[in-house]
Amino acid sequence: QKEVEQNSGPLSVPEGAIASLNCTYSDRGSQSFFWYRQYSGKSPELIMSIYSNGDKEDGRFTAQLNKASQYVSLLIRDSQPSDSATYLCAVATSGTYKYIFGTGTRLKVLA
Amino acid sequence: NAGVTQTPKFQVLKTGQSMTLQCAQDMNHNSMYWYRQDPGMGLRLIYYSASEGTTDKGEVPNGYNVSRLNKREFSLRLESAAPSQTSVYFCASRPGTGGMGSYNEQFFGPGTRLTVL
Repeated sequence: QKEVEQNSGPLSVPEGAIASLNCTYSDRGSQSFFWYRQYSGKSPELIMSIYSNGDKEDGRFTAQLNKASQYVSLLIRDSQPSDSATYLCAVATSGTYKYIFGTGTRLKVLA
Repeated sequence: NAGVTQTPKFQVLKTGQSMTLQCAQDMNHNSMYWYRQDPGMGLRLIYYSASEGTTDKGEVPNGYNVSRLNKREFSLRLESAAPSQTSVYFCASRPGTGGMGSYNEQFFGPGTRLTVL
């Protein structure tokens, strides 16, 4: 059974701090990794994708991938109350059409 | 571009009733997906269509059928609704038919909240 694991949280951080969200996956053939943000009652919104080992930065967001450790993370710098949401990690294997989603980590940014 | 649209937004059914959830995308994407999301369960794949003319089962296909009507539209049908099908249903689409890179990025519709009494 291929799995994607996330801590459900809530992860509480003060405004302006760095939030660190983590995800582990079981399928070593995974090659595409995604972070989605989902506000309560809304649909998932893609915020980052990463395909190679290392870091990928986009504004206040940094995705980090370590395929040897089967670990992907999302850092949010200068966290804002508007970042409060559930963050979903998703993993796909190249050549397939299926994505495995984690159950998400709820982030609360305290003003 | 409207992106991915879904109708209806909300629906209440009685056990045994049937209905079709509609999904359309205007991004010229090849692949389309139906997921359900339940508290504590995450997103689970019901069916997907890798390209126009093909459909395949996902993780939880029982009780559902799909139709890829054309490249734009992918519908999900509940033939005889059961309370266990109470959930939020999301349609998603993806540009490519394989490989890596941005072709793999999925984009979601706003969802349909379905309650089966």
